[in-house]
Amino acid sequence: DVQLVQSAAEVKKPGESLKISCKGSGDNFNTYWIAWVRQLPGKGLEWMGVVYPDDSDTIYSPSFQGQVTISADKSINTAFLQWNSLQVSDTAIYFCARSVLSSAWLYRWGQGTRVTVSS
Amino acid sequence: DIQMTQSPSSLSASVGDRVTITCQASQDISSHLNWYQQKPGKAPELLIYDASSSETGVPSRFSGSGSGTHFTFTISGLQPEDVASYYCQQYENLPLTFGGGTKVEI
Repeated sequence: DVQLVQSAAEVKKPGESLKISCKGSGDNFNTYWIAWVRQLPGKGLEWMGVVYPDDSDTIYSPSFQGQVTISADKSINTAFLQWNSLQVSDTAIYFCARSVLSSAWLYRWGQGTRVTVSS
Repeated sequence: DIQMTQSPSSLSASVGDRVTITCQASQDISSHLNWYQQKPGKAPELLIYDASSSETGVPSRFSGSGSGTHFTFTISGLQPEDVASYYCQQYENLPLTFGGGTKVEI
């Protein structure tokens, strides 16, 4: 069965950089879209963007364009979410999730990566 | 962006009750609507896709209906393990957008 395993929780200071990962197991990782979803503390779900690992085609939500970088390395079945300069407001849980299309249902989710940004 | 308005934001019901959650889209999204369950401290899980299709393995007490701008999610016979937050999500247009969530308690 397809599984997505995310990297461990991170504690960072404002201004630091960070790259978190989402590794897929099973067949055909590269031919499904991987989305990133943010959940602020005690809040709902926000779609950040999506990447197609086979050709690295990436689509961002306007709310997150320029704030983060979404990428993938198909040779290691892994998608990434990256910040160049973290802010306290980036404190959240970040989920990756698999989809058959860039715009569809998210049918398999990673366990989430908690990112805490604090001085 | 398409706005998704979900109601109620929270509810409390008894075991065995029928529970209904509604989701309204700011424009016509056909049947492009999904429902997720998120238990405390866990990742969301897909329950219903394309407004009324059940994901494999989802108990039959969970169902969805609707099209256009108005959608309904029903739990027909609430169970203790159904304590969770439930979210609708549209996929008519990017960016994908979620409703604000409904917290279901017993």
